[in-house]
Order: sequence, then C-alpha cells, then structure tokens
Amino acid sequence: EPEVTQTPSHQVTQMGQEVILRCVPISNHLYFYWYRQILGQKVEFLVSFYNNEISEKSEIFDDQFSVERPDGSNFTLKIRSTKLEDSAMYFCASRSRVPLNTFGSGTRLTVV
Amino acid sequence: RKEVEQDPGPFNVPEGATVAFNCTYSNSASQSFFWYRQDCRKEPKLLMSVYSSGNEDGRFTAQLNRASQYISLLIRDSKLSDSATYLCVVNMGGNQGGKLIFGQGTELSVKP
Repeated sequence: EPEVTQTPSHQVTQMGQEVILRCVPISNHLYFYWYRQILGQKVEFLVSFYNNEISEKSEIFDDQFSVERPDGSNFTLKIRSTKLEDSAMYFCASRSRVPLNTFGSGTRLTVV
Repeated sequence: RKEVEQDPGPFNVPEGATVAFNCTYSNSASQSFFWYRQDCRKEPKLLMSVYSSGNEDGRFTAQLNRASQYISLLIRDSKLSDSATYLCVVNMGGNQGGKLIFGQGTELSVKP
C-alpha cells in the first residue's frame, strides 16, 4: 500500500534554530498538507498546497513557516526560528482528487 | 462554539460491548465527514467515511444527520484491538483540496 514518508521521525533543536521537516507524498497525489498536534491536544491544520502554491493556511502558519515542493517529490516544512511552543508532532498528508487523505507517521519536534 | 466537538471520554468497556461515539460540527457548509482512529503517538488513520444514508463496515456503523449537524460511530462486539482514540473529522471541501478539521478525539479502552 502506498505510503507518505516523513523524515526525521524525531528532531531536537534549540530555540531560535531553523528546522526543515521532510515529506515524500504518494506519487500520484495532487494535494499536500501539513498538520500539527501538540501533546494532548487535537490535530490542527497548518497549510495546504496545490498546483505548486499554497492554497490555504491557518493562523498558526505565520511568517516563521514556509513550505516548498522543490523537486516534484519532496514536500518540506521549514520553521525559521523555532520557539518552545513549536514543540509538537508534525504530520504530512496527501490525497488525490478523491478526498481521502493519507497521513505520514509524523515528525516529533522538540524545541529546547 | 468548537468547530468539531466530540464526547470527552474516556470510554472504558469490556470486550464484546457495543459503544457509541457522538460528534457535532458547527459549519453547515462542511462537505464530507470521516472517522479516523489514532493510536498513541501515531498518525491518524482513516477508519471510514460517513454518508447521509448511513454506512457500515463490519462491526462499525457511521451515521450523518446534516440537519442537526451530528455524526455518530457505533462499534459492535468491541475487541481489545479497538482501543484507540477516535477522531471525528470534517472536510470543508473547496476547489483546492479542502482542509480537515479534527475533533479533540474520544479515547476508547477495551478491557478483557
């Protein structure tokens, strides 16, 4: 069964550092997403990406965040200057025209 | 009012029990509806889509009432392996993919 792959599975970074979270969506999918889940809280939408541009972003997705799909396979989330409150699980998801999302196994980001 | 609201849980039931989860959503423009399951510190996995006519998948039955903006999930003959957090999820639709809005989840623990 096709998978969404995320790396790394766990990243520890110092406050103020830049991090890049990587995702390889399912190859024939068209829509790409990042979600996050702070420990003990619900899954929250960050950003959606379609046709090589951001289609929607949440209030969480401020100027510190950016996404790229540089080579047609990878889909990355960059946080420019991490804060303690950025500590969370970050999930990448993708889907085809059929609205059924497949999630990656997530990257646990710990900001210290 | 929360966008997607679920029973707070946790639900602790014996094996073989029938358990029902309830969910309400606030945005009447919501287009599609799902139940996901999430095991501890893992990614959400699609359990089933929810249709107005009601749908069943083995021991799982989902119902949608658009008029009252209410979604339910019934699990019959519960198994130990059903222990997880069940997430009520709404897709806002739209031409560019549509974001998923998650409820906070209802934890289920099935005991021998």
